[in-house]
Formats: sequence, C-alpha cells, structure tokens
Amino acid sequence: NAGVTQTPKFRVLKTGQSMTLLCAQDMNHEYMYWYRQDPGMGLRLIHYSVGEGTTAKGEVPDGYNVSRLKKQNFLLGLESAAPSQTSVYFCASTLPRDGNYGYTFGSGTRLTVV
Amino acid sequence: SQKIEQNSEALNIQEGKTATLTCNYTNYSPAYLQWYRQDPGRGPVFLLLIRENEKEKRKERLKVTFDTTLKQSLFHITASQPADSATYLCALDMGGSQGNLIFGKGTKLSVKP
Repeated sequence: NAGVTQTPKFRVLKTGQSMTLLCAQDMNHEYMYWYRQDPGMGLRLIHYSVGEGTTAKGEVPDGYNVSRLKKQNFLLGLESAAPSQTSVYFCASTLPRDGNYGYTFGSGTRLTVV
Repeated sequence: SQKIEQNSEALNIQEGKTATLTCNYTNYSPAYLQWYRQDPGRGPVFLLLIRENEKEKRKERLKVTFDTTLKQSLFHITASQPADSATYLCALDMGGSQGNLIFGKGTKLSVKP
C-alpha cells in the first residue's frame, strides 16, 4: 500500500497566485486532516474531514479552503497565496475513533510564497 | 485552551543509554496520548498510543507512561542507538467526534556513538 500520498512535493508561488495541494490515501480511512508545520510552532491543524462530503475548520483555517468529494482524496486550496503561507504542509488520515490507530502522514509539501 | 510542552528542544545522549522525553499538558486530560517520530524532510510516523486509563505501554525498546495526576507522559527509548536520532512529537487526542490531534513542538534526540 502507498499509504498517504501528497502532490506536489515542492512548489514556489508568487504572492496572489492560487494552487491546490492534493492528498490521496488508499487505506479506506474516514478521517483526513491538513496540518502546517512551521519552525518553532509545531504542527497546526488547518482543516479536517470526518467523511466524504464533509469538512470542518481547524486551528488556522484562514486563507485556505478544502474539499472532500471522494473518500480517498482531500484537497487543500490556496486562493490568493501570501508569504505567511510559506510552510510545510502535511496531510494525515486515520480510522474513526477506534482508539487503536495513530495517524498516517504523507511526506509533506514544501511551499514557498515569494 | 489546551497547551502541550515537551521538556526540551534537544536531548543528547550516548549510545546504549536510556533516553527519556517528557510531555506535559495543561487543563483537561486527553482521552489518548500519542507519540510520533519525525525524521528531517519526512512526515511524522506513529509509534505508540496510550489511553487515559492506562499507566504504561511498551513496544520493543519503547515505553510510554501516562500520569493524569501530574498531567505528564514520559517516553523512554532503552538501549538507544544512533538510528534513534530524530525529533519525537507528543500529541493529545481529546476524544469526541472531531478526532483531531494537538501536537507538541517536539524534542530533537541525538544519540552519539
């Protein structure tokens, strides 16, 4: 199994440009999450989804939108990129609330906004 | 709001010794507490999960304890090896329907030969 796959791995954007980060998982997980990781800040939750067709805001949702049209995919969109969105973005997934499984993370997308 | 502190940003130990990492939290006790390993340029990898009603959990050379009175979890790596060098993250799962984790900033462990 591939687990959680994130594309692209690296991207440089100019301020004001838009882009979509794709997360795909092949483990039939219900819950999916987008985190950003910044030096000295740790991982912070942007948005999450508890099932196909559902999304919810996390700790730092401003400037981002998400969609979960298919169970295996979770998309993160930046409509108008800002330098403050320079970060490493991680997608994660897990089984719902059974308490025996941790999260499976992707390898990350390193985004630079200039 | 819930806060998590991992005792130090960096920990250096000698190969063969036991590494002990600390995770402290404020306010409410989580339903579950998880530990992850993160290598440079990679995503976190799940290691262990311990529930609020469990005192200790072991997996090979890893041991996690959970003290809800002290609001603290300890993560031990026995007989440490240079390959154990990485950043270790503590994460709290408050339970409920949201299912999302609150992460600490991590402790960077370096094991010297």
